[in-house]
Amino acid sequence: NAGVTQTPKFQVLKTGQSMTLQCAQDMNHEYMSWYRQDPGMGLRLIHYSVGAGITDQGEVPNGYNVSRSTTEDFPLRLLSAAPSQTSVYFCASSSSRGDEQYFGPGTRLTVT
Amino acid sequence: GENVEQHPSTLSVQEGDSAVIKCTYSDSASNYFPWYKQELGKRPQLIIDIRSNVGEKKDQRIAVTLNKTAKHFSLHITETQPEDSAVYFCAASTSGTYKYIFGTGTRLKVLA
Repeated sequence: NAGVTQTPKFQVLKTGQSMTLQCAQDMNHEYMSWYRQDPGMGLRLIHYSVGAGITDQGEVPNGYNVSRSTTEDFPLRLLSAAPSQTSVYFCASSSSRGDEQYFGPGTRLTVT
Repeated sequence: GENVEQHPSTLSVQEGDSAVIKCTYSDSASNYFPWYKQELGKRPQLIIDIRSNVGEKKDQRIAVTLNKTAKHFSLHITETQPEDSAVYFCAASTSGTYKYIFGTGTRLKVLA
């Protein structure tokens, strides 16, 4: 099993550009989440999904969109990047059979 | 809204000493409390978790205690070693919601 994978590892965007951060898991987990990690602020939940076709907002959803068309994939879209979105982004998944979350390796995004 | 406070933000201990990190949660419905360890540049990884029907759980040098009445839980690391140096995060969740609220993290330094 590859577990939770994320691409790209690093990305630099200009203000106003759009992009999609990819997340995939091969553990057949129903639940997937996106977090951003900023210095001194821990991990903040952006959006999460409890199954294909179902998504919901977390603590800091503004400026981000998600969709969940398959169990495996949960992409995060930035429609118009802003410097405030400079952060490290983590995707995580968990199973309905347990509460443990498994994290991906992260994407370091810089918006100039 | 839901909130998890974590203290201290930094902690330095001598090798062999014990380290204690404390978290307080606000949502009385929370019943699952994981602790994650994050080494520099890596993803968070679960080290121990506890559910609300248990007051204490131990795994070798690591233990977690939970006080439901006071809504706080703590991570205890005994006989600390240099490889314990990392950032530790607590989190709180309600089983079945798969929505986790994280603390802001504690940077632990174990001095040789």
